This record gives sequence, C-alpha cells and structure tokens, in this order.
Amino acid sequence: DIVMTQSPLSLPVTPGEPASISCRSSQSLLHRNGYNYLHWYLQKPGQSPHLLIYFGSNRASGVPDRFSGSGSGTDFTLKISRVEAEDVGVYYCMEALQTYTFGQGTKLEIK
Amino acid sequence: QVQLQESGPGLVRPSGTLSLTCGVSGGSISISDWWSWVRQPPGKGLEWIGEISQSGSTNYNPSLKSRVHMSVDRSKNQFSLELYSVTAADTAIYYCASFPFGEWGRGTLVTVSS
Repeated sequence: DIVMTQSPLSLPVTPGEPASISCRSSQSLLHRNGYNYLHWYLQKPGQSPHLLIYFGSNRASGVPDRFSGSGSGTDFTLKISRVEAEDVGVYYCMEALQTYTFGQGTKLEIK
Repeated sequence: QVQLQESGPGLVRPSGTLSLTCGVSGGSISISDWWSWVRQPPGKGLEWIGEISQSGSTNYNPSLKSRVHMSVDRSKNQFSLELYSVTAADTAIYYCASFPFGEWGRGTLVTVSS
C-alpha cells in the first residue's frame, strides 16, 4: 500500500506571506505515461473538499494562480505565493496511482 | 453544473448495515465515468471507500472491501453504498463525489451507536 506523508501538519501563516506544504509518497507516483498521479485538495471549514491541483502541477478550473504544485516521483510541494484569509482550511495530497490514498492533511491558519 | 446529494439514515446500530444513496442532479449520471464514496471521521482525515462506474463496475478500498457493496441505478440517476457489520469506527461524514476531478456532495453524518 502507498503511504502518503504530509508536512507540516499545522501551518500558521501571515496574510501576504508565502506558504509551502510537502507531500511524500512511499512509492513513485510517476506513471509510464509521464503523469504524476498526485492531486491536491482543499477542505475549507464546514465544506466538502475540492480539487486544487491535479497530476502534480495542473491548477483545477477556477483556482487562483497563487496556488502552484510541483514535484515528481515521490516528492511533491504545494505552494501559495501570497496567502489570503480565504485560503484557511485543511490541505490534502492524494495518490491516484494505486487506490486513492490521502495524506494526513495540513491545517493552514492565519496568524 | 452537476450537483450531488447524499441521503440515508443518520443513525445505524452496531453490527447493522449502513445504506446511503447519492442523487445526481443537473446532469446525467453518465456524465462521469466513475462515482466514488469518501468518508471522514469527525475531526479526522479523508478515506476513499470505493467507486462504481455507470455500467456497474466497482473498485473498493482493500481495507473495506469485505464489507462494502456499491450499486448504480441509471434510471433514477443515483448510486448507492452499503457498508455491512458496522462499528463505532465507521462513524463519519460520508461524501459522494465525481472523483477525483469533479463535484462532491455536502456530505452526511452517519453515527454508529446503540
């Protein structure tokens, strides 16, 4: 089974400052088709999760360009260039290569 | 835009069967190749339960496979989840979703308790 490990688990950020979340998988998520089967979700307080980034680095429709995803294989990063108050919530990475396995989640809060 | 709505009992007795239905509105259930169930114990993280195709093919999380059954009813534009032999550990918010790229329902809390 693939294990997904996120860090940090808690991320206090000052508005306007950048933020970064790491996600590591126990196995490579790089498919032979060249895509990394790694997606990022955000669950805002009291809401269902929604897709932010798919296949490692592609922003989902409507996602602001301050969000970016990078990485390949087993190491991935979600970056927010300038955090806004509306970015508060729990961020999850998820592998989609085997079954769908989520990381533990990273709770972003505003300082 | 497709909308999803979970429905079913909010309380299930231990050792009983959890049964939920996800209604798809604003479009045909055929709009998505696969439909999933995801759950979230209160205050905890997300767990994928399984998926069903519009033709009825299924894939389940190995950790739940022995207790899960999913079905689809295209005439009613809905799909369903059954989880057998439930315990308190199955208490969670259950989401249906056009997964992994599409819409999610708002989720429904199911509590397992006597």
